[in-house]
Amino acid sequence: SQQGEEDPQALSIQEGENATMNCSYKTSINNLQWYRQNSGRGLVHLILIRSNEREKHSGRLRVTLDTSKKSSSLLITASRAADTASYFCATGEDMRFGAGTRLTVKP
Amino acid sequence: EAGVVQSPRYKIIEKKQPVAFWCNPISGHNTLYWYLQNLGQGPELLIRYENEEAVDDSQLPKDRFSAERLKGVDSTLKIQPAELGDSAVYLCASSVSTGVEQYFGPGTRLTVT
Repeated sequence: SQQGEEDPQALSIQEGENATMNCSYKTSINNLQWYRQNSGRGLVHLILIRSNEREKHSGRLRVTLDTSKKSSSLLITASRAADTASYFCATGEDMRFGAGTRLTVKP
Repeated sequence: EAGVVQSPRYKIIEKKQPVAFWCNPISGHNTLYWYLQNLGQGPELLIRYENEEAVDDSQLPKDRFSAERLKGVDSTLKIQPAELGDSAVYLCASSVSTGVEQYFGPGTRLTVT
């Protein structure tokens, strides 16, 4: 069974806009990770946020974590066409992935 | 530094035939994962190794799937016999330890006809 659940399932925006996707999970976690998968390519790690952190930044990425609501959000600022991909959250030592958010950035 | 290596990249077999996938993790990574990914879905964990020990194989269909990680380095995932529903991408990933950044291989795309 999958632990994380991403929302929305699909998101389409224009280049330059911000994209926000959310992840909800069910059990207590030590950390939460976000991954990206381009069409036909492998998964790439984006960012890891620990349970005692509330916010983390990496370049144009901003991740927040609310352990009381068991949710996380990934914000991509000033999106580019190259950001078009599926984004997954994964939680727990056993790394359960959600079904992902499919992001399309139109040039 | 070499990434996670998987072979073959593609495999087409007939149902009821056996198939094996091989994975060589990044040197020094103690944790190795095998995932199955169906089209439009996220990866589903099949088995997780800590060195040579399978510490989580609860999602592995043991009637037809088997895996091994001899000497705690490379790993093999086998399906015997394959069924039509096994068509998917099989991903291998490794990490320094459990619960930290994983590095994924390119995957093996299996088609069962």
